[in-house]
Amino acid sequence: QKEVEQNSGPLSVPEGAIASLNCTYSDRGSQSFFWYRQYSGKSPELIMSIYSNGDKEDGRFTAQLNKASQYVSLLIRDSQPSDSATYLCAVKGAWAGNNRKLIWGLGTSLAVNP
Amino acid sequence: NAGVTQTPKFRILKIGQSMTLQCAQDMNHNYMYWYRQDPGMGLKLIYYSVGAGITDKGEVPNGYNVSRSTTEDFPLRLELAAPSQTSVYFCATSDRPEVSGNTIYFGEGSWLTVV
Repeated sequence: QKEVEQNSGPLSVPEGAIASLNCTYSDRGSQSFFWYRQYSGKSPELIMSIYSNGDKEDGRFTAQLNKASQYVSLLIRDSQPSDSATYLCAVKGAWAGNNRKLIWGLGTSLAVNP
Repeated sequence: NAGVTQTPKFRILKIGQSMTLQCAQDMNHNYMYWYRQDPGMGLKLIYYSVGAGITDKGEVPNGYNVSRSTTEDFPLRLELAAPSQTSVYFCATSDRPEVSGNTIYFGEGSWLTVV
């Protein structure tokens, strides 16, 4: 089992719809979770971080965390064509020696169709 | 304010050649990182630095070297380039450790092809 798993997509939604992106992780000790957006040919940029169970909202974006089920999701309301990108899930993992690792998923490609 | 600047943006190398990817930041961050990103493989940490004079290996350090003589600069050296090093390389910085996640700033990337 991969440490952080995402459906590679592409996930295709019509403009104005809700896009739902999911991420599961294997380490029950993980404490911090992050969503990055990466446009084609560009570098990742942080969208949301979440640390506690439940929902965290920021504008059209909502991150949801369920530690018992080991998943974190990102909802994008009123999807716009400009949201078309790859969304990377990153998880602060378990201790490895003296360090914790930040583990990246492979990303889900989202296409919002006008 | 440039943020994180990487050069070159594109480069083609022949097998066995060497080169240095440059990274400079003007945010006065202590932490700097080099990642590579391959299709289907995600972001992998190559090397990182917690401050000038201090560097450490990440997940995939083989075939690379780094140095950190100043806070601003963190060059990545490829010795004896191999086709397996064909990738997109991202330099990144943060004011807290990488695992904090929410403060990582990426450069625009360097596309390297080894033929």
